[in-house]
Amino acid sequence: QSALTQPASVSGSPGQSVTISCAGASGDVGSYNLVSWYQHHPGEAPKLIIFDVTKRPSGVSDRFSGSKSGNTASLTISGLQAEDEADYYCCSYAGSGTFEGVFGGGTKLTVL
Amino acid sequence: QLQLQESGSGLVKPSQTVSLTCTVSGGSISRAGYSWSWFRQPPGKGLEWIGYIYHSGDTYYNPSLESRLTLSVDKSKNQFSLRLTSVTAADTAVYYCARVTYSGSFYLDSWGRGTLVTVSS
Repeated sequence: QSALTQPASVSGSPGQSVTISCAGASGDVGSYNLVSWYQHHPGEAPKLIIFDVTKRPSGVSDRFSGSKSGNTASLTISGLQAEDEADYYCCSYAGSGTFEGVFGGGTKLTVL
Repeated sequence: QLQLQESGSGLVKPSQTVSLTCTVSGGSISRAGYSWSWFRQPPGKGLEWIGYIYHSGDTYYNPSLESRLTLSVDKSKNQFSLRLTSVTAADTAVYYCARVTYSGSFYLDSWGRGTLVTVSS
């Protein structure tokens, strides 16, 4: 069981927007602005698309945006394209210790 | 651009040892501000953190794997490695290596493609 809760699947048509939620707790998402999101096409290396809740790495499309409210973070993909079909994972810092990060279980995005 | 590539055992028998290496190119493994991590994803399940190592050799292990796990780093080859002993079918998974940025932030900025490890007799 993952520490962060994501919907198993979401879908949308080309050009539409979809939002993927990532529900955590006061000890992780709620306490730190250190949520990151990853896009994973099977067989490829996962790719960082959002860090520090809202920031995009260089080269990542501005169609990807992140936000947070309380203990829940969200990833919004606007102007859906076929190549956006992938698995998406969230991760949050959870405090110092043996490992400081917790993951979501992943969300399969289907572009209809 | 930083690239990571996993290599090592693909099919392993129960009770044997899995050995994997992650080769880093496009950047130095000795650079401060990063940790070098291993994760795995069993079939149909989510990502599980295995452990991480700093270029200094300091390590942190998932408590559930600690008794069977050894991570090491070879700065001369720009590689870091994983050794997991006494494996069972529950260790069957795609294993990923990744770099974690932790200086002033926290995220996994580079990943390998992953390598499938199957434990079967």
